[in-house]
Amino acid sequence: DGGITQSPKYLFRKEGQNVTLSCEQNLNHDAMYWYRQDPGQGLRLIYYSQIVNDFQKGDIAEGYSVSREKKESFPLTVTSAQKNPTAFYLCASSWGLGEKLLFGSGTQLSVL
Amino acid sequence: GENVEQHPSTLSVQEGDSAVIKCTYSDSASNYFPWYKQELGKGPQLIIDIRSNVGEKKDQRIAVTLNKTAKHFSLHITETQPEDSAVYFCAAWNTGNQFYFGTGTSLTVIP
Repeated sequence: DGGITQSPKYLFRKEGQNVTLSCEQNLNHDAMYWYRQDPGQGLRLIYYSQIVNDFQKGDIAEGYSVSREKKESFPLTVTSAQKNPTAFYLCASSWGLGEKLLFGSGTQLSVL
Repeated sequence: GENVEQHPSTLSVQEGDSAVIKCTYSDSASNYFPWYKQELGKGPQLIIDIRSNVGEKKDQRIAVTLNKTAKHFSLHITETQPEDSAVYFCAAWNTGNQFYFGTGTSLTVIP
């Protein structure tokens, strides 16, 4: 079955540590996105990518980095510069910008 | 940028009643409006969407209406069932190359 796979489901970060969240899709979608979800808030865009080796910052990119070396993969690194990383992180993909989003099941990141 | 406001933040209805969730947007250039349902600990799932050239769209018990002049759109769920209980998000897509999401409505259907 086609879909988006995020891993791990739960992740813990120690002070000063970088952590990487995985996102893989087998839908042949061109566009991929990372969103952050905090309780009681809407989804906020961190980064998005339209094509391989190209990505753009969203509204809250500070303290995060991404790469898009393969069409099916869009990993997100939460760096030590992100001082408030505790949140639910969602990866999504679509055929193109402005098309229907399909979301993964999310990764809950917490700080130890 | 775009600003999407969603109301109410919580909604409780009796099973079988209707539920209505409303969203307003600020940018008249926005032209695509999806609605997502999110269950606890899961990713959002698209349930219905509408484009700006259409005023209403229906899919079984779910409908969405769009008023471009007033810049608001609404989700209507009829004959609610306990499995409709979830958080619902609206969103708007504009030429700024991103979706803007509402803050969510927690719907509880009481059996």
